[in-house]
Amino acid sequence: DIVMTQSPDSLAVSLGERATINCKSSQSVLYSSNNKNYLAWYQQKPRQPPRLLIYWASTRESGVPDRFSGSGSGTDFALTISSLQAEDVAVYYCKQYYYPPHTFGQGTKLEI
Amino acid sequence: EVQVVESGGDLVQPGGSLRLSCVVSRFTFSIYWMSWVRQTPGRGLEWVGNISPDGGEKFYVDSVKGRFTISRDNARNSVYLQMNSLRAEDTAVYYCATDGGYLNHWGQGTLVTVSS
Repeated sequence: DIVMTQSPDSLAVSLGERATINCKSSQSVLYSSNNKNYLAWYQQKPRQPPRLLIYWASTRESGVPDRFSGSGSGTDFALTISSLQAEDVAVYYCKQYYYPPHTFGQGTKLEI
Repeated sequence: EVQVVESGGDLVQPGGSLRLSCVVSRFTFSIYWMSWVRQTPGRGLEWVGNISPDGGEKFYVDSVKGRFTISRDNARNSVYLQMNSLRAEDTAVYYCATDGGYLNHWGQGTLVTVSS
């Protein structure tokens, strides 16, 4: 199984500052035939289901603010929030869908 | 707007069975994979398994293989999770989600508690 490891486990950032969450996969999730990274990012607020933010490592889901961006390829990825807003307080997860079983990172708790 | 609604969660004794249901509306259900994901406080999010559009392919995480079965009824826009031989560690909120590889529409979840 592909193991997804996020860092840090928790992060405190001031309003308006940049936040970066890292995600590392135990093997590459880049599919060479289509040059796509099978990696997504999710946001989960308390008492809510997860929400898709980013897929194919860097494609923003419809309706997601452009302060959220995804980067990386192969085994190393990052989710960046360019200017933290109060409503961004949440737990963030990466997930690979390269092959089953699909696996999530352990989550990163983002606080202000 | 796509709606995903899970149901069927309950308190069940260890060794017991339970069937969860998930109905999707305002969505082209029959051409999409569907996934089940569960969440416990101690273990975060865990992908349980998924099913292909025609139901012919299914994949599961090792911890539920042989005990859980995913099925679907495209005429009813529904997907199901049959859970047998339940264990305390299966206690979780179970989510259903549309699966394009990435999971873009989620339900609110249904709570399964396995306890005597």
